[in-house]
Amino acid sequence: DTGVSQDPRHKITKRGQNVTFRCDPISEHNRLYWYRQTLGQGPEFLTYFQNEAQLEKSRLLSDRFSAERPKGSFSTLEIQHTEQGDSAMYLCASSLRQDGYTFGSGTRLTVV
Amino acid sequence: AQKITQTQPGMFVQEKEAVTLDCTYDTSDQSYGLFWYKQPSSGEMIFLIYQGSYDEQNATEGRYSLNFQKARKSANLVISASQLGDSAMYFCAMREGSGTGFQKLVFGTGTRLLVSP
Repeated sequence: DTGVSQDPRHKITKRGQNVTFRCDPISEHNRLYWYRQTLGQGPEFLTYFQNEAQLEKSRLLSDRFSAERPKGSFSTLEIQHTEQGDSAMYLCASSLRQDGYTFGSGTRLTVV
Repeated sequence: AQKITQTQPGMFVQEKEAVTLDCTYDTSDQSYGLFWYKQPSSGEMIFLIYQGSYDEQNATEGRYSLNFQKARKSANLVISASQLGDSAMYFCAMREGSGTGFQKLVFGTGTRLLVSP
């Protein structure tokens, strides 16, 4: 499979629980992005990695959110103490250049 | 200020007809890129077409073409010969800046296209 993989596809969690999502980018892509998409909206940027370095973080990424890309390959996005407002689709994308984004299928999070 | 505006929440088209999805953008940069993505109900964002701000020709990719009017700051997507499988959400997005520094994509709110038989 040469696409961007995200796991899990769906996650239902109780408010207050921690969740972690995984993204496996296209293997030769050194840039990795996380976006969040709420109902009826377009995706909004959360954070960006170039190789293992997290170079940009949006103000949307509160202290409860943390993202890592330890070896410059896969990435994880963790949300601690989830709130109902965290319910959204979390999309991962990767690229080799600025104009070559490839998105994954996303992880749909529902906080109940 | 809204960077990307998609004024059509929903559009209907009959199979085999052409349809235009509107997108206007706002930027003060000279160098930027415009993208269109398709998002079916499965959730994946599928890249359709890209137009750079310095490209003189309108971009085309198969049945997709981008009507780029720089002075009007519009980048409308034209889908020719619509197919039932074209039913999906369509997002216009802009990347500002150039070079090796980071530039995020900013998306519009999308247009839902429904193709009827």
